[in-house]
Amino acid sequence: EADIYQTPRYLVIGTGKKITLECSQTMGHDKMYWYQQDPGMELHLIHYSYGVNSTEKGDLSSESTVSRIRTEHFPLTLESARPSHTSQYLCASSGTGTGYEQYFGPGTRLTVT
Amino acid sequence: AQSVTQPDIHITVSEGASLELRCNYSYGATPYLFWYVQSPGQGLQLLLKYFSGDTLVQGIKGFEAEFKRSQSSFNLRKPSVHWSDAAEYFCAVRMDSNYQLIWGAGTKLIIKP
Repeated sequence: EADIYQTPRYLVIGTGKKITLECSQTMGHDKMYWYQQDPGMELHLIHYSYGVNSTEKGDLSSESTVSRIRTEHFPLTLESARPSHTSQYLCASSGTGTGYEQYFGPGTRLTVT
Repeated sequence: AQSVTQPDIHITVSEGASLELRCNYSYGATPYLFWYVQSPGQGLQLLLKYFSGDTLVQGIKGFEAEFKRSQSSFNLRKPSVHWSDAAEYFCAVRMDSNYQLIWGAGTKLIIKP
């Protein structure tokens, strides 16, 4: 079944640790996105990719980095986690269908202590 | 600049009552319009979308939305809400110029028993 997967779902980690949030999709989509969302708040685009080896920063400045080596995989890395990185991170993808609507993974809730 | 406004931060309705969530956008042409729903701690699920044609669109879970060009609005409706509809609802638009979505701040729907 076509879907978007994010792991881990929940992560509690100490300040200064390096972390990678995984996102994979079996939708066959070429475009992928990372959003940051605080509880009850709007979504902020932090990274996006329109294809392999193509990544761009979004509207919200983020200390994270991303890579797109394979079409289906779009991991997000924080080299040194800080309490200000505590948030929910949502991964999405879109294809070439009408409207290019985005489909979302379940999210990763990150807490940095 | 293009923008999406959801004027109501939260709305409370009784179970079985009708619902209308408002969404207004700022854009010169007709955008691609979407409504998403987010249950607590989850990712976003696409409810419905509008690109062209009939201005009244049907979605999943019994929701519908009507595009009104003269009012730059795309309001979401449901004739009779269920307790399981309690969630956050986001309106989003995509302009012709790129694949990204511009998001509203969301409306939290609270259902009274």
